[in-house]
Amino acid sequence: AQSVTQLDSQVPVFEEAPVELRCNYSSSVSVYLFWYVQYPNQGLQLLLKYLSGSTLVKGINGFEAEFNKSQTSFHLRKPSVHISDTAEYFCAVSLRGGKLSFGAGTTVTVRA
Amino acid sequence: EPEVTQTPSHQVTQMGQEVILRCVPISNHLYFYWYRQILGQKVEFLVSFYNNEISEKSEIFDDQFSVERPDGSNFTLKIRSTKLEDSAMYFCASSERRINTEAFFGQGTRLTVV
Repeated sequence: AQSVTQLDSQVPVFEEAPVELRCNYSSSVSVYLFWYVQYPNQGLQLLLKYLSGSTLVKGINGFEAEFNKSQTSFHLRKPSVHISDTAEYFCAVSLRGGKLSFGAGTTVTVRA
Repeated sequence: EPEVTQTPSHQVTQMGQEVILRCVPISNHLYFYWYRQILGQKVEFLVSFYNNEISEKSEIFDDQFSVERPDGSNFTLKIRSTKLEDSAMYFCASSERRINTEAFFGQGTRLTVV
């Protein structure tokens, strides 16, 4: 079975500073990887996904993530955050489709 | 842009009562899912549904839970006799295919069992 570990439960960051959210997964087979964002009192929105191909994936709102197979990681980055990026971020994995297994989430709080 | 819609957004129910959570998946999608998120915990998979039958379910999805696609548009989750520990945010999701695709999530239904 696959699992996901998000290494940081909370990440405070100043506006216009860079942010990195760490995600590691475990699986004995190839997986698909996703980052979802949940804004306060809203549902889950897909930020980006890795299915195959280039290991550097660009998503919405200026986010990008890099798939590293040897380190089984899929860290999310943004070079300059805005107040509106305050949200909870979830890393998720699936076995080539189907059900998603989510990490525990990382709460990002952006301060002015 | 097509989206998954869930109703109601918030439901309060008495312990032991039956609840039905409703979802309208994106119209050309064939795979449907329910997930739940207990407050402060991770999002957990409950069940997947394809071709009018359950394709996979988790240990959480016991006999108290059932899913149904009663018509061509709705996808429902029923909890027969709610318990306090069923209080959670329930998310519906749908995808066009099983592989090489992503799941689109609804806004969620917050279920509070009192």
